[in-house]
Amino acid sequence: GENVEQHPSTLSVQEGDSAVIKCTYSDSASNYFPWYKQELGKRPQLIIDIRSNVGEKKDQRIAVTLNKTAKHFSLHITETQPEDSAVYFCAASKGWVTGGGNKLTFGTGTQLKVEL
Amino acid sequence: KAGVTQTPRYLIKTRGQQVTLSCSPISGHRSVSWYQQTPGQGLQFLFEYFSETQRNKGNFPGRFSGRQFSNSRSEMNVSTLELGDSALYLCASSQSGILETQYFGPGTRLLVL
Repeated sequence: GENVEQHPSTLSVQEGDSAVIKCTYSDSASNYFPWYKQELGKRPQLIIDIRSNVGEKKDQRIAVTLNKTAKHFSLHITETQPEDSAVYFCAASKGWVTGGGNKLTFGTGTQLKVEL
Repeated sequence: KAGVTQTPRYLIKTRGQQVTLSCSPISGHRSVSWYQQTPGQGLQFLFEYFSETQRNKGNFPGRFSGRQFSNSRSEMNVSTLELGDSALYLCASSQSGILETQYFGPGTRLLVL
């Protein structure tokens, strides 16, 4: 089955710096890649997603890049702020059309700490 | 629109008991997926329901089951609870599930003693 690896497991940056989290996936049929942010005691919330027909997507301070050939995708957060501190999860899905239904396979998470 | 809701939010059970968790998706959403979150195993897919049919299933034992009703509300059941079933159970909904955003509920925290 699909396997998603995520690195690093913890990341500490200074406020204002950039943060990059990387994920690799194993199933070349995967075609949807969301990123979720989960604050302590709260539900995962989608922050950005990308589909396989797009190489890069940006939303203000957040961007995601996808390299289908290498089977990896990355989350970039610029100008980090203390409120960005949370656990970030990447995920991959094949989607219903390719028989995967809506199943998301998650990475193991990255604890991001933004220090003042 | 109201978000995904789950009941109950917290639950304490003892080994051997069974438990039923409920999930109400966002209005208009027909796909409901269930995930188990633990510190050791992370977020793991349990199953997905779409239009009252199980469309996909993860690698969990048969003690874990679910169903979906005609109004898209879903329930999951765990029978013969084990200590290792202690986890946060999250459900997520999407409109049709075809490469769409999944919105998560707040989860039900289950503690098995």
